[in-house]
Amino acid sequence: GENVEQHPSTLSVQEGDSAVIKCTYSDSASNYFPWYKQELGKRPQLIIDIRSNVGEKKDQRIAVTLNKTAKHFSLHITETQPEDSAVYFCAASPGGYQKVTFGIGTKLQVIP
Amino acid sequence: GAVVSQHPSRVICKSGTSVKIECRSLDFQATTMFWYRQFPKQSLMLMATSNEGSKATYEQGVEKDKFLINHASLTLSTLTVTSAHPEDSSFYICSARDGPETQYFGPGTRLLVL
Repeated sequence: GENVEQHPSTLSVQEGDSAVIKCTYSDSASNYFPWYKQELGKRPQLIIDIRSNVGEKKDQRIAVTLNKTAKHFSLHITETQPEDSAVYFCAASPGGYQKVTFGIGTKLQVIP
Repeated sequence: GAVVSQHPSRVICKSGTSVKIECRSLDFQATTMFWYRQFPKQSLMLMATSNEGSKATYEQGVEKDKFLINHASLTLSTLTVTSAHPEDSSFYICSARDGPETQYFGPGTRLLVL
């Protein structure tokens, strides 16, 4: 089955700096890669996703990149703000109603 | 995005009793719902895939007789933790799909078994 590795497990950045979280996956059949943000005690919220026919996608301060050859994808947050502090999960799926496999999560702390 | 509700948000029960958790898709029909368990500071561990009108598909190591799943309608799936023990204490989260890919999560249920 699919195996998703995520790092770092914790990340502290100064407000205004950029944060990068990296993930690798093992199943070459995976073609859908969502990212979720989970604040303490709350539900995971989808913040951005990318499909394998796209190499990069941006949404305001958030961007994701995908390298299918190397089987890795990354989340980039620019101009970080304290409200970006949360746990971020990457995930991978073959799509087509199949299950999603999550990474271990990255706890991001943005220091004011 | 789509809205998923979960009830109850918190439950405390005695060891040996059963607890039912409901997951509802409020504004869409979900042929597939998923049940996850999350330990403190850990990732989402998929327990089972709930399919409307058919049996759930359980992940390896998850006891199907312990964690009963019923997906009786396109908007409701239930997870029943039978004969709960303290080691079953955890945060249980459901999710539902409105299509082939995107999942929307419920707010979770914190279960404490005394």
